Amino acid sequence: AQSVTQPDIHITVSEGASLELRCNYSYGATPYLFWYVQSPGQGLQLLLKYFSGDTLVQGIKGFEAEFKRSQSSFNLRKPSVHWSDAAEYFCAVGVGGYALNFGKGTSLLVTP
Amino acid sequence: KAGVTQTPRYLIKTRGQQVTLSCSPISGHRSVSWYQQTPGQGLQFLFEYFSETQRNKGNFPGRFSGRQFSNSRSEMNVSTLELGDSALYLCASSLASGNTEAFFGQGTRLTVV
Repeated sequence: AQSVTQPDIHITVSEGASLELRCNYSYGATPYLFWYVQSPGQGLQLLLKYFSGDTLVQGIKGFEAEFKRSQSSFNLRKPSVHWSDAAEYFCAVGVGGYALNFGKGTSLLVTP
Repeated sequence: KAGVTQTPRYLIKTRGQQVTLSCSPISGHRSVSWYQQTPGQGLQFLFEYFSETQRNKGNFPGRFSGRQFSNSRSEMNVSTLELGDSALYLCASSLASGNTEAFFGQGTRLTVV
């Protein structure tokens, strides 16, 4: 079955530390891949996307993600986290003209 | 350029009532998708409209319906509301149908009592 898995429900990091949020997908074909961020009470903001080409993609707010076909993964990274990065992060997958399929999300807490 | 606008932001309805939510996409975008977000089920796709036609539909009962107007604005209707319909309803707009870049509105928080 097609699925998107974000293994970590909650992650806590110290401000200034590096961050990696995991995302794995299960699809027959190479999908379109996205990371979104959601602050409390807000909609979703697109951080970055991968359609094809270079497997390391740069996004907004200093985020990057790497597509690894062999691992069916699209992990999100940031070298130095800021307190304002505390939010819910969603990985999403799309395949061939259908809707986005979202993971359950990872809640990021940033400590001083 | 204005973003995706959803109205109203908050709604409280009683079981059995119906509700209509509105979404105005980014200017020039012709595809509008709707998602339901709940703590238990996460983000689930409801349907997508492109050029006034429903292109895709998720696994929701017929009580959930939508439409799109010639100016690409979209409405979503839920009839015979149930407590379980309480959720954040998000609208997303894209230039075209399919998995292109989707921009989300701030959502409408529906509470059914």
